[in-house]
Order: sequence, then C-alpha cells, then structure tokens
Amino acid sequence: ETGVTQSPTHLIKTRGQQVTLRCSSQSGHNTVSWYQQALGQGPQFIFQYYREEENGRGNFPPRFSGLQFPNYSSELNVNALELDDSALYLCASSSKGETQYFGPGTRLLVL
Amino acid sequence: QQQVKQSPQSLIVQKGGISIINCAYENTAFDYFPWYQQFPGKGPALLIAIRPDVSEKKEGRFTISFNKSAKQFSLHIMDSQPGDSATYFCAASKAGGYNKLIFGAGTRLAVHP
Repeated sequence: ETGVTQSPTHLIKTRGQQVTLRCSSQSGHNTVSWYQQALGQGPQFIFQYYREEENGRGNFPPRFSGLQFPNYSSELNVNALELDDSALYLCASSSKGETQYFGPGTRLLVL
Repeated sequence: QQQVKQSPQSLIVQKGGISIINCAYENTAFDYFPWYQQFPGKGPALLIAIRPDVSEKKEGRFTISFNKSAKQFSLHIMDSQPGDSATYFCAASKAGGYNKLIFGAGTRLAVHP
C-alpha cells in the first residue's frame, strides 16, 4: 500500500508569484484535505476535495484554490503569494471516515 | 467554539517516566479525537484516536483518556523513551459533511535518557 506523497519537498518563491503543490493520495482513498502549518503551530484546514469537488473550506482567501483529479490526486494553487504564506503545506487522504493520513508536506518559503 | 486548547506547550520527561498531554474543546458536536505525532521535517502521523462513547483507549504504551462531561481528553505515554521525543498534536472533528480536523497548538516533548 502506497502512502500519501507530496511534491516538491521544498520550494522558494518571491512575493506576488504563484505556486502549485501536488499530492498523491493513499491507495483506495477518495478524499484529500489540505492544511497549512506555520512554524511552531498546529495545522490549519484549508479545504477538502471529495470525488473532484470541493467539499468544505477553512478560513483562507480565494487565492488559495485546488483541484482533484479522477485518480484522486490533488493540487493546491496559491496566487499572489504573500510573506505569511511561508509554511509547511500538508496533504491528507482519507476514505469513508475520519482517519486522515498525512503526507510529508511541502515546505514553502516566500521571500 | 471551534478551538481545541492543548497544554503544556513543552514537556521534559526522564526516560521511563509518564508523559501526559491535555486537550480541551468547546464544540459538543465533535465526536472524533485523534492524536498525531510529528517529527521535525515530517508530516503528522496518527498515533491513536478515540470516540466519545468510550472513556479510555489503549494501544501499546499510548493511552487516551476521555472525559465527555468536562470536554477534555488526554494522551498518556507510559515508559517514555528518547525516541518518543517529538511534537504531539491533539485534534477533533465532527461527524456529518466534511470532516475537517481542528488541531491544538502542539506539545513539544523531550525525553531525556
């Protein structure tokens, strides 16, 4: 069974740029959630995708958007990057229940 | 009402000792309470989880105690080992609709040999 994978592992961008982060869900999982984890804090829910539709959203602006593909992999897109967007971005997959399994994350640094 | 409050922020325990981390929540609609362990540079890994219909759940050295009336739950790590040194997060979610996890702020545990 393949776990949750994310790419890239690290990324450096400048303010105002756009970024796309990718996530492959665990085999058999049809739901993907994205979280932002600032340094020294707990993860904050961004949004969740179920069967290619956004299934819920946290308190993040519209410049955070996402996609889920037929194979249940997912992308997180962030436009007009701000310095405060620097964080670890986590993807978690789940299926038919609450247990969410996290990937290793993508560390984004915005300069 | 969406918050989960976690304490302490940091904890130092001697090898072989018991580590105790506490969490409190406000939203009575929460019905799933997992604990995650996170090592530096890694994603959170599920340790153990509990539902409100039981007051305690044990898996190996890890035990969750749950007090529904007080809206509190805690993680106990028995016989703590240096390899347990990590950041621990409690979380909560509610049934129905999408199941977003609300995380506590984390507890940084250091187990000294």
